[in-house]
Amino acid sequence: SAVISQKPSRDICQRGTSLTIQCQVDSQVTMMFWYRQQPGQSLTLIATANQGSEATYESGFVIDKFPISRPNLTFSTLTVSNMSPEDSSIYLCSVDAGPRTDTQYFGPGTRLTVL
Amino acid sequence: AQSVTQLDSQVPVFEEAPVELRCNYSSSVSVYLFWYVQYPNQGLQLLLKYLSGSTLVKSINGFEAEFNKSQTSFHLRKPSVHISDTAEYFCAVSEIQGAQKLVFGQGTRLTINP
Repeated sequence: SAVISQKPSRDICQRGTSLTIQCQVDSQVTMMFWYRQQPGQSLTLIATANQGSEATYESGFVIDKFPISRPNLTFSTLTVSNMSPEDSSIYLCSVDAGPRTDTQYFGPGTRLTVL
Repeated sequence: AQSVTQLDSQVPVFEEAPVELRCNYSSSVSVYLFWYVQYPNQGLQLLLKYLSGSTLVKSINGFEAEFNKSQTSFHLRKPSVHISDTAEYFCAVSEIQGAQKLVFGQGTRLTINP
């Protein structure tokens, strides 16, 4: 399985600021995904990031609020912009486990608290 | 669009007792099914999955789940639980012909009491 790391592991931020979360994989992957897990709730897909193309956002998520970069096959970033307390969540990246596996592996998550 | 319902938000059981965590899904297309586990202060780990073939799938730590297409269910079971099974369990689906987008249920917190 792929080894996925995220930075930072947690952060406390002030309202109105932005935070960029990094996701690094130890092998080349085609598809990377960003999810949000709000307190006490399940995971919701924010967007899908493929290398060399614009990220595809799910309903309710927009690029201005959650810009994503995917500069190569092992790295991606998610920025949470102009934060408010409602953005306090765990943000997780995941990667596809390979062709025809239809399986995703998840990073450890970034716990964000917005004051 | 798909949706996943986990009928129990919390399940407390005694150690060595059997447990069943229920999962039902709704989808207009064929789906793959997954169970993920999140141990305290850890990331999400794949527990088991159903892609095709035998409807009964098993994990290495004694869990099993059975895909029931007529009842659109994928319940997770273990005949005898251990303290170490204490975790949050998430059921998820993805479209077979889709872009691997996972749709998760609300999660079930399994608490094992000694």
